[in-house]
Amino acid sequence: GDSVTQMEGPVTLSEEAFLTINCTYTATGYPSLFWYVQYPGEGLQLLLKATKADDKGSNKGFEATYRKETTSFHLEKGSVQVSDSAVYFCALSEIQGAQKLVFGQGTRLTINP
Amino acid sequence: EAGVAQSPRYKIIEKRQSVAFWCNPISGHATLYWYQQILGQGPKLLIQFQNNGVVDDSQLPKDRFSAERLKGVDSTLKIQPAKLEDSAVYLCAERGSGANVLTFGAGSRLTVL
Repeated sequence: GDSVTQMEGPVTLSEEAFLTINCTYTATGYPSLFWYVQYPGEGLQLLLKATKADDKGSNKGFEATYRKETTSFHLEKGSVQVSDSAVYFCALSEIQGAQKLVFGQGTRLTINP
Repeated sequence: EAGVAQSPRYKIIEKRQSVAFWCNPISGHATLYWYQQILGQGPKLLIQFQNNGVVDDSQLPKDRFSAERLKGVDSTLKIQPAKLEDSAVYLCAERGSGANVLTFGAGSRLTVL
């Protein structure tokens, strides 16, 4: 079945550092890809998405590009802030059928001032 | 008003007791999901509804978990009897018609002692 694999956490960075969180997927079709974020004490929120190969999703300074050839959707940000501390989840959803979200295990990010 | 309301936010019970969680997708969209998020893991789909009907309940432990959707809007998830391994956050989500983005509630955190 479909699956998502994220880089192991936790990740700790200093403010203004460059961030990359790796995500790869396995899917039978051509899924849509997502990054969701979970801030402390809050629910899951959509951060960005991409629906087809070579699409780039972006939001709040974060970017991720849908790479079909490497089945990847890595999350990047050029300069992180303390407020970016959260758990980040990569996910996929098949375009057809039930369209349920399949999540990776999450990566906890802590940014130190 | 958009969003997904869930209650209770927190619940502590002893093993073998029962518990029920409630979800109100305020937007009233057709597709509703219940996910289980165990600490340190990504959310896992328990059940998906389309209006009143069940689309996917393949991961629902049917010997102890049950869920229903009332009049295609509100939904309840019940666990009876609870086990220690049921300790988790139970997330409700809705998907708007024609969209492939899920909106999540804040979740209900269950602790089984």
